[in-house]
Amino acid sequence: AQSVTQLGSHVSVSEGALVLLRCNYSSSVPPYLFWYVQYPNQGLQLLLKYTTGATLVKGINGFEAEFKKSETSFHLTKPSAHMSDAAEYFCAVSSTGANSKLTFGKGITLSVRP
Amino acid sequence: DTGVSQNPRHKITKRGQNVTFRCDPISEHNRLYWYRQTLGQGPEFLTYFQNEAQLEKSRLLSDRFSAERPKGSFSTLEIQRTEQGDSAMYLCASSLGGTDGYTFGSGTRLTVV
Repeated sequence: AQSVTQLGSHVSVSEGALVLLRCNYSSSVPPYLFWYVQYPNQGLQLLLKYTTGATLVKGINGFEAEFKKSETSFHLTKPSAHMSDAAEYFCAVSSTGANSKLTFGKGITLSVRP
Repeated sequence: DTGVSQNPRHKITKRGQNVTFRCDPISEHNRLYWYRQTLGQGPEFLTYFQNEAQLEKSRLLSDRFSAERPKGSFSTLEIQRTEQGDSAMYLCASSLGGTDGYTFGSGTRLTVV
């Protein structure tokens, strides 16, 4: 079985501040991990993914995430928040491949204060 | 590449009516997925196809739900005898395989009144 925990439902940061969105996963086998962003009334857009290899993964829009097996974590960071980053962010895990069934967390809403 | 297209974008229906949604995947993608997203939650897996074969169905997909992908191209998701609990965003995604992951459509928002 696989699962994702995203603690907290809302994070608020000031423009220019560090963004840190936490994700912990559970998987019985080496996982594939993903972060998606969703803007209001739209579908999900892939920010970045970890499949194999380098544990620090860089994605679009300046975001990156680090796979830490010992902590079963895949936290998303961005050094400097921009107003356009305000959206909902979902972490997801697959135990059977990057193109298999994904299990999503409940999501975190990011607000950016001017 | 025009992305994953879903129609309609919004659907309001009365309880007990049947509804059908359509998804057109990226043309070269052989895998197609349906997810359901309710307010304040992450998407939940419903079913997926490889070409025209339906390979996995979630227990969330009750007997009122049916999905098809004739000829391995577009897909339809039908809900019969809709209930208020069916109100949600229905998301379609497609993929080519390998490690690229999915591309999602913009979704169909269903409201059952």
